[in-house]
Amino acid sequence: NAGVMQNPRHLVRRRGQEARLRCSPMKGHSHVYWYRQLPEEGLKFMVYLQKENIIDESGMPKERFSAEFPKEGPSILRIQQVVRGDSAAYFCASSQTGQNTEAFFGQGTRLTVV
Amino acid sequence: RKEVEQDPGPFNVPEGATVAFNCTYSNSASQSFFWYRQDCRKEPKLLMSVYSSGNEDGRFTAQLNRASQYISLLIRDSKLSDSATYLCVVHPRGKLIFGQGTTLQVKP
Repeated sequence: NAGVMQNPRHLVRRRGQEARLRCSPMKGHSHVYWYRQLPEEGLKFMVYLQKENIIDESGMPKERFSAEFPKEGPSILRIQQVVRGDSAAYFCASSQTGQNTEAFFGQGTRLTVV
Repeated sequence: RKEVEQDPGPFNVPEGATVAFNCTYSNSASQSFFWYRQDCRKEPKLLMSVYSSGNEDGRFTAQLNRASQYISLLIRDSKLSDSATYLCVVHPRGKLIFGQGTTLQVKP
C-alpha cells in the first residue's frame, strides 16, 4: 500500500520558467493538502483540495500559483514564472476525510530557482 | 496572534530525561489535534493523535485541555533517536494548521 507519492523529488528551474509539482494521495484518500517550507521556517499551509474542488486556498499567493486535483490523476501544484523566493520544500499530504482523520505526507519536492 | 503557538526551543536534554512540550491554539472550534515529528527537513511523520481523554503510546503521552486551549506532549526516558522537531497540529474543519515546531536535542 503505497504512501503519498510526490514527484519530482528535486526540481531546478530558471527564473521565469514554470514549475509543476505532482502529488498522488494514498489509496482511498480523497483530500489533499499542500504546504511550503522555507529554510529555517515552519510549514505554511497553501491549499486544501478534494477531488475536482478547491476547498480552501487561503494560503496561496494570489498570483502565479494554482492547484488542481482532477477526477483522475494526481494533484498538481503549478507555479508560473518562478522567482528565487519560490525556492523551498513543497510537501503534500492526504487524508481519508476532511476532519478527524490523520493526514500523511509525501517526501516533498525541493524546488530550486536559479 | 498565531493560530498555533509553540516554544521553538531548542530543548537540550540528557538521555533518559523526561521532557514536555506545550502548544496553544486560538480556534476554539478545532476538532482534532495531532503531534507530528520532523527530522532534518524531511517530511513530517505522524507521531500520535491527541484525544480529549488523553492517550499514551509507549514513552509518549499526549493530553488535550479544551478549556485552556492547549495540547501537551510528554516524552519519558528520552533516547538519542528522539532528537527531532515536534510539530503541534490543529485541525478545525478543513486545513491542518501547524505550529512552528519545538526542537528537541537529546545528548548522550
